[in-house]
Amino acid sequence: AQKVTQAQTEISVVEKEDVTLDCVYETRDTTYYLFWYKQPPSGELVFLIRRNSFDEQNEISGRYSWNFQKSTSSFNFTITASQVVDSAVYFCALSESGGYQKVTFGTGTKLQVIP
Amino acid sequence: NAGVMQNPRHLVRRRGQEARLRCSPMKGHSHVYWYRQLPEEGLKFMVYLQKENIIDESGMPKERFSAEFPKEGPSILRIQQVVRGDSAAYFCASSPQRIRLAGDTGELFFGEGSRLTVL
Repeated sequence: AQKVTQAQTEISVVEKEDVTLDCVYETRDTTYYLFWYKQPPSGELVFLIRRNSFDEQNEISGRYSWNFQKSTSSFNFTITASQVVDSAVYFCALSESGGYQKVTFGTGTKLQVIP
Repeated sequence: NAGVMQNPRHLVRRRGQEARLRCSPMKGHSHVYWYRQLPEEGLKFMVYLQKENIIDESGMPKERFSAEFPKEGPSILRIQQVVRGDSAAYFCASSPQRIRLAGDTGELFFGEGSRLTVL
């Protein structure tokens, strides 16, 4: 069975600080996909990134970066120079290679960026 | 280029009533997924449907819940005889196809959710 753990329930940072959101996953599959979604206060889900299990290259997109390490089953997300608009709940998620997107979500990390 | 459309956005029901939540996938998408988000929790998979077929309903409660995705029209998540514990946000997502290993982002396109409150 697959499982995603986001141990940090809530994080508060002051604007412009860097913040890292942790994600640890469990799966028996050798091929799987990892995701991060953002849920702002308005409630919708915003796709941020998807990673294949065989691609361990770190990725950077603007102020966002992701560190994927299979050895520790982690897929951490870092926001550099945080802004108030980054305040949201962030979900890490996992999908196994069953051919469709039955995605298992973590319980989310609520990030509050204080001006 | 409309995204995934869910309605109603907010629904209030009294215990024992029925709730019907509708989801129109993105144009060209034939795969629909329903997820439930209980207050202060992550999303939990409920059911995966293709047109006229339920592919995986392993996350659906055994009683009172049903889902369909007819050949024409939106997907419907139906909850009969609602109870207070059914109060949650119900998200629908769609995708054009099954996952491929390369060539697509693998993104699930989510609607804005339907928030059900049971009094």
